[in-house]
Amino acid sequence: GQNIDQPTEMTATEGAIVQINCTYQTSGFNGLFWYQQHAGEAPTFLSYNVLDGLEEKGRFSSFLSRSKGYSYLLLKELQMKDSASYLCAGDGGSQGNLIFGKGTKLSVKP
Amino acid sequence: DTAVSQTPKYLVTQMGNDKSIKCEQNLGHDTMYWYKQDSKKFLKIMFSYNNKELIINETVPNRFSPKSPDKAHLNLHINSLELGDSAVYFCASGHGTGYEQYFGPGTRLTVT
Repeated sequence: GQNIDQPTEMTATEGAIVQINCTYQTSGFNGLFWYQQHAGEAPTFLSYNVLDGLEEKGRFSSFLSRSKGYSYLLLKELQMKDSASYLCAGDGGSQGNLIFGKGTKLSVKP
Repeated sequence: DTAVSQTPKYLVTQMGNDKSIKCEQNLGHDTMYWYKQDSKKFLKIMFSYNNKELIINETVPNRFSPKSPDKAHLNLHINSLELGDSAVYFCASGHGTGYEQYFGPGTRLTVT
């Protein structure tokens, strides 16, 4: 199967750190993506992990453990503009079709 | 300098009609995709296509058909629209497996 699970909603405070978890049960994923989607807008790429470990990119970092079927997105120094949905997606198939989780809606409060 | 564009942005139509959504990318990508995002914001792959192969998600009704006049375009044609087809449809493009995908702005389809 290709189930991808992530929390539905999270709330955090401006300036804080938040970790959004994603677990998956799959065979055939090449790697794991994280996308950000603001309300009414298109998803935009944040990160891609194909190897185990942590990838850091500015305020955002993403971690993958293939053996555990687990990934997380870490957002540091939260800003109000980080309020959005964060989508975990597995990269599957010969053409790289994205298999998305249902997304985590993050609300950043002052 | 738009990367992935879709038209129309909004589409309101009645049940039973046939409609098309157009998608164009100017990124030189060789693979294009259509995704459907339902009212619960769940984003699901419908099709992927490069110049060699069309891959159809088995859950997509055959009323939906992608048409690619050339490498930069992948249009979505929908026959006999149903209420349940109401959703936001996103086109995307990329270089295939292991590469990020760039999404168009979405087309909000409402079937009445």
